[in-house]
Amino acid sequence: DVKVTQSSRYLVKRTGEKVFLECVQDMDHENMFWYRQDPGLGLRLIYFSYDVKMKEKGDIPEGYSVSREKKERFSLILESASTNQTSMYLCASSSPNIPSGNTIYFGEGSWLTVV
Amino acid sequence: AQSVTQPDIHITVSEGASLELRCNYSYGATPYLFWYVQSPGQGLQLLLKYFSGDTLVQGIKGFEAEFKRSQSSFNLRKPSVHWSDAAEYFCAVGPPLNFGNEKLTFGTGTRLTIIP
Repeated sequence: DVKVTQSSRYLVKRTGEKVFLECVQDMDHENMFWYRQDPGLGLRLIYFSYDVKMKEKGDIPEGYSVSREKKERFSLILESASTNQTSMYLCASSSPNIPSGNTIYFGEGSWLTVV
Repeated sequence: AQSVTQPDIHITVSEGASLELRCNYSYGATPYLFWYVQSPGQGLQLLLKYFSGDTLVQGIKGFEAEFKRSQSSFNLRKPSVHWSDAAEYFCAVGPPLNFGNEKLTFGTGTRLTIIP
């Protein structure tokens, strides 16, 4: 089974802190994603990466950056956390090479509270 | 631009009753369609997906969904729900396999409550 692991399930950070959310997948997937989930808004794509060192902005990239130095790892960075970034963050991965096609696999989520 | 509408924010069903969750999409070509389930505090788990072929798709946990092109719908069904089905359900639409960008667009979700 595909395993997407988010290292921190629950974080509390102060306004202005730099925050790193780490994600690792074990299936050699090319694509990795960071989503944000808020009540009533569903899932919104922050950034995605289709290869090492490659990244593209999603729908809500403002206030976030990402890093993908190794294929299996995709990090989300909040340079200066703000209270409106309090949310659930979901990492995901997929591959275009699987015959059944582009199924996205999710991690269990990271709950971030910014105070 | 692609979009997904889940018109029901919250549905309550008695245990043992049948279930249908609605999903309507907007997409310029034949899309890939997915249903995911999210238990409280957890990530999303794939229930089923439609790429092509038979428009009635079987998934895990006894769920099925039917793709209706004429109605731009991909409704999720289960003949008899169990208390463990209480969760949030997300419909998603994505581009065909041979596009390089596999971004999915998600609906806002339907919360399912099961009553005894």
